[in-house]
Amino acid sequence: EVQMVESGGGLVQPGGSLRLACAASGFRFSGFWVSWVRQAPGKGLEWVASTNEDGSQTYYVDSVKGRFTISRDNAKSSLYLQMDRLRVEDTAVYYCPRDTGFFTFTYWGQGALVTVSS
Amino acid sequence: QSALTQPPSASGSPGQSVAISCTGISGDVGAYTYVSWYQQHPGKAPKLIIYEVTKRPSGVPDRFTGSKSGNTASLTVSGLQAEDEADYYCSSSFAGSTHVVFGGGTKLTVL
Repeated sequence: EVQMVESGGGLVQPGGSLRLACAASGFRFSGFWVSWVRQAPGKGLEWVASTNEDGSQTYYVDSVKGRFTISRDNAKSSLYLQMDRLRVEDTAVYYCPRDTGFFTFTYWGQGALVTVSS
Repeated sequence: QSALTQPPSASGSPGQSVAISCTGISGDVGAYTYVSWYQQHPGKAPKLIIYEVTKRPSGVPDRFTGSKSGNTASLTVSGLQAEDEADYYCSSSFAGSTHVVFGGGTKLTVL
């Protein structure tokens, strides 16, 4: 059974940093793109970042470029999102869906809540 | 990276059909456009119900159908059931794209 389990969420002050992790299981992690998608409270879905199978290619939405870094460790079947210089508007539930191809998000975890507030 | 436009709400009675539109689909000339639809119940993670415009993942009822005409994609839910009440999101990318955009979401109410 494919599972994506996010962790590392919490409360952080504006300007602070946080690192999210996503543990994948039930499939060959190194064979798939993976992404981060977020959802602000009461709002819609927003794609944040994606990385290819070996982590050599990374892509970001404009609003997080230069502040967030997506990375992966295939040996650990894990995906990460390093979030620096956090803003209030980054407050959201962050999901790490597996990409079947062309940004088709087939499997989702339950998400990790990140709250940026003073 | 412009978002796609969806109606904020839609509704129908049990057994009826309802269509949800998603406008603003675009792609490079000659490129295939990949449209997906996700269903999200309150407090739950999104679930993929349509991909590559018209395809259904295993386990998704055939009451859910996708289509596209020009720059508008549509999700049609036939034979509405109470459990179909949820938020629905479209997304679009295209071959060679380095990003994906989502629609703002449509809240489907089963009357």
